[in-house]
Amino acid sequence: EPEVTQTPSHQVTQMGQEVILRCVPISNHLYFYWYRQILGQKVEFLVSFYNNEISEKSEIFDDQFSVERPDGSNFTLKIRSTKLEDSAMYFCASGGQGRNNEQFFGPGTRLTVL
Amino acid sequence: GESVGLHLPTLSVQEGDNSIINCAYSNSASDYFIWYKQESGKGPQFIIDIRSNMDKRQGQRVTVLLNKTVKHLSLQIAATQPGDSAVYFCAENPHAGNMLTFGGGTRLMVKP
Repeated sequence: EPEVTQTPSHQVTQMGQEVILRCVPISNHLYFYWYRQILGQKVEFLVSFYNNEISEKSEIFDDQFSVERPDGSNFTLKIRSTKLEDSAMYFCASGGQGRNNEQFFGPGTRLTVL
Repeated sequence: GESVGLHLPTLSVQEGDNSIINCAYSNSASDYFIWYKQESGKGPQFIIDIRSNMDKRQGQRVTVLLNKTVKHLSLQIAATQPGDSAVYFCAENPHAGNMLTFGGGTRLMVKP
């Protein structure tokens, strides 16, 4: 069964450093998402991406964040200058169709900012 | 584990019993709802979805009920098994885009 994969599973970084979280969505999907979940809290939407551009973003997704689909398979989330409060699980998701259709989540990357 | 942060309501059931997990959603304009299951250290896993033009949808051992009048969603799990132990989140699609807004989650514990 096809699945979303994410690397690394755990990333530890120093405050102020840049990190890139990587995702490989399901191959025939066209819609891509990043969500985050601070430990013990709700899953929160960050950004959605379609047709090589951002289609929606939340207030969390400020200028420190960017996304990219550098090739036909990868979807990345970059945090330019990490803050302590960026520590969270970051989930990538993909969907085959537009709104009101299932989003498949990856296993997540745990980001720890020291 | 989830030892800090938001305190999750917990539902404890005996193996073989039926479970009902409830969710109140916030946006009356939401027209699509999903239940996700999240096991420790894993990403949310799709269980079942429902569109607002329906009030009930059944899957394998699971049923979702939607009451738009009171903005309430429930997930019923029949013959609950130990493998059902997880945190369950409801999510809604609140407007014209694709973003999902997640609820706070309920921890289901199944006693053997």
